[in-house]
Amino acid sequence: GAGVSQTPSNKVTEKGKYVELRCDPISGHTALYWYRQSLGQGPEFLIYFQGTGAADDSGLPNDRFFAVRPEGSVSTLKIQRTERGDSAVYLCASGRGSSYNEQFFGPGTRLTVL
Amino acid sequence: AQSVTQLDSHVSVSEGTPVLLRCNYSSSYSPSLFWYVQHPNKGLQLLLKYTSAATLVKGINGFEAEFKKSETSFHLTKPSAHMSDAAEYFCVVSDQNQGGKLIFGQGTELSVKP
Repeated sequence: GAGVSQTPSNKVTEKGKYVELRCDPISGHTALYWYRQSLGQGPEFLIYFQGTGAADDSGLPNDRFFAVRPEGSVSTLKIQRTERGDSAVYLCASGRGSSYNEQFFGPGTRLTVL
Repeated sequence: AQSVTQLDSHVSVSEGTPVLLRCNYSSSYSPSLFWYVQHPNKGLQLLLKYTSAATLVKGINGFEAEFKKSETSFHLTKPSAHMSDAAEYFCVVSDQNQGGKLIFGQGTELSVKP
């Protein structure tokens, strides 16, 4: 079956612009996670959805970052007024929402803010 | 709070020799632990997971890891390295109270020499 997909694969934008990153999870997975991976680092948690609601958004760095999952499937990560420090690979994962279950990762979106 | 520490940022081995990637964890309760691998320009892939069953866990591609509670360790091993094992490896702990969000170590880059 299809895995987690993310679009676009690469996004180059200018400082101050708005960007949207999309994640299509595996069908039937109720849990969806966003992580951010900076160069040379391990991924860091941003936000977790269970169904349509954000169950944990404690990893979002500030109020410029926002994510939605209106129908409990596709999710969009939105970044306002981008800064150069936002440059990273943004990873999406889906799973069954338990600590015992594997999370399946997408290939990521590489965001570059000039 | 839960955390993982990967003791080596880079490990280099010769093809056909054993691999040891070290990981220590910190958790206030019985953790779920994972090893993920990330090949260049590819998504994260689960190698193996420990979820309080057998302490010796076997994964894909000949990798295994042993959970040692007394040492708070979860080291990854493989008897004989292959060139295709060259990649970044992440030791990961799952937060049981937050829908299983993953907390990654800093990563260990494995190089395999011919």
